[in-house]
Amino acid sequence: GDSVTQMEGPVTLSEEACLTINCTYTATGYPSLFWYVQYPGEGLQLLLKATKADDKGSNKGFEATYRKETTSFHLEKGSVQVSDSAVYFCALRGMSGGTSYGKLTFGQGTILTVHP
Amino acid sequence: KAGVTQTPRYLIKTRGQQVTLSCSPISGHRSVSWYQQTPGQGLQFLFEYFSETQRNKGNFPGRFSGRQFSNSRSEMNVSTLELGDSALYLCASSLTGVETQYFGPGTRLLVL
Repeated sequence: GDSVTQMEGPVTLSEEACLTINCTYTATGYPSLFWYVQYPGEGLQLLLKATKADDKGSNKGFEATYRKETTSFHLEKGSVQVSDSAVYFCALRGMSGGTSYGKLTFGQGTILTVHP
Repeated sequence: KAGVTQTPRYLIKTRGQQVTLSCSPISGHRSVSWYQQTPGQGLQFLFEYFSETQRNKGNFPGRFSGRQFSNSRSEMNVSTLELGDSALYLCASSLTGVETQYFGPGTRLLVL
């Protein structure tokens, strides 16, 4: 079945440092890929998405490129801020017909803490 | 446009009781999905409803059930609560189930 693997956390960075959170996936065909962010006490917010190979999703300075050859969708940001502190989830929606309707498969989440 | 809303936000129950959670999707969205989030298991898919029909289901026991109404609002029910059911329950909506999902703030359930 579909699966998503994220890099182990937590990740602690100083403000203005570069961020990379690795995400790899296993799925048949061409799934849609997402990054969601969760702030303390809240639900998930969509950060960015990509629906086909070589697509680059971007939002709020974050970027991720859909790499079919390496089955990866790594999240990057050139300069993080204290306000970026949150839990980041990589997710996919598969293409397997009925079993993919409304279903996202998530990675385990990566806690990011940014210090001033 | 209003986002996904979930009620109640917090709930405390005791073992053996049952609970019903409610979710109102974004206006125009007909697909509603439910997820359970726990520190140990992460985010797990419970089920998805579209046009009042359960169309997809995750690997949860029959104690977990749901339904969807004609206005696309959805409820989730958990019967015979167990301590392990303590979790954040998240609802998400999308237009038809194959587009981007948008999440509500969740209902935090504590079972004592």
